[in-house]
Order: sequence, then C-alpha cells, then structure tokens
Amino acid sequence: GAVVSQHPSWVICKSGTSVKIECRSLDFQATTMFWYRQFPKQSLMLMATSNEGSKATYEQGVEKDKFLINHASLTLSTLTVTSAHPEDSSFYICSASSLPDTQYFGPGTRLTVL
Amino acid sequence: DAKTTQPNSMESNEEEPVHLPCNHSTISGTDYIHWYRQLPSQGPEYVIHGLTSNVNNRMASLAIAEDRKSSTLILHRATLRDAAVYYCILRDGSGNFNKFYFGSGTKLNVKP
Repeated sequence: GAVVSQHPSWVICKSGTSVKIECRSLDFQATTMFWYRQFPKQSLMLMATSNEGSKATYEQGVEKDKFLINHASLTLSTLTVTSAHPEDSSFYICSASSLPDTQYFGPGTRLTVL
Repeated sequence: DAKTTQPNSMESNEEEPVHLPCNHSTISGTDYIHWYRQLPSQGPEYVIHGLTSNVNNRMASLAIAEDRKSSTLILHRATLRDAAVYYCILRDGSGNFNKFYFGSGTKLNVKP
C-alpha cells in the first residue's frame, strides 16, 4: 500500500516551453501533497505544500508564477514548470500524505531543459 | 526549522550492524524524528520515526537519546541493498502540515 506515482519519469524540453508533471496517490487519499526539487549530489529542497482544493503554499525563494501547482483531487497534484530554462533542469519529486506523521514519495521526474 | 547534522558518509561491511548518527541539538518538544533513505535516481523511502522512546520495525531500530538532542538509526545486518543516502529529518508535530526539511544526509556504502 501507500504507492505514489509520477508521470512522466523523465522529460526533455526546449527552453521557453512549459512542462507539466503529475503526481498521483494510487491507493490512498492524500489530503496534502508536497513538491521537492533535487539537484545532482544535493539534498531534497521543499518547494511547496498543497492541500486538495486550496492554493499551494510556497517556500521562501520559490517563484509561484513559475512553478504552478494544482491539487484538484485527493489523488492528483500537478506541477507545471512554466517557461522552463536550463537552470530549471532538476529531479522533481512529489510526496503525498494522508496522516501527519508520514510522507510517501513518488519515484521522481527528471527534467532536462535544452 | 530545526536542523540536523549527519556525517557525510559511512562505510560498512555486509551482514554487520550499522549505526548512523544524527545530531539535532535544537530539537523542540513537539519535533518528531524521521529517517528516510534514498537510492540513486529514486524518491526517498520511509525507514522509521519516533518522538521520545526507542522504536523498532522490520527495517531498522531508532535509538533516541534521553535529552533527544541526538538519535541513531541502527541497521542490524547491512546488505548491499541498504547502500543509500540516509536522511534524518525533524518534523514539527504541533502544526497541521508535516513539512520535511531535508539535511545533507549520510551516504552509506556497504562492502561485500
């Protein structure tokens, strides 16, 4: 149980285009979902927290207009990287939570912007 | 956000116990201690968590110091599949959101 999926697992796009990443909780309802970014050989950095049906809360320094988060249902959250540039290339990881004490992480999406 | 400090890397021999330390001297009374691990190019995997008492599960044991300013993750018999980056994370249990702020973690290398 407690499986979280992400789609796509990897994506390559041209600079200036937008990319959407999906995060789904497959066997439980996630009241809260989180989005992280991880650069090579670095730790995970929390980008934002989203609750179903409400606006996401962004961490300091994360541009909310660049990283659009939608949490439309209890099993789906999406992250859209708008007008992507090479510096946005990273490993994006989501997690889902139904209880306060545990987060279940997705397998990650590797974004490469050319 | 309460900080954690972990050694950058550790090495262990296969089938021997491994003790991964974590210092969290600024921990507050409502902070839970969580451990996750991450294999290369994968999302983190839950290992164990606790508040004050030592905890055991099928994957590992968590030993928490009496003053809670440090903790140790214990893998009883390391296998090659345990080679990963291990993160010690403090979660504020007083809020509605269980945000995780990851530290730098410890990269565990297991030798056959």
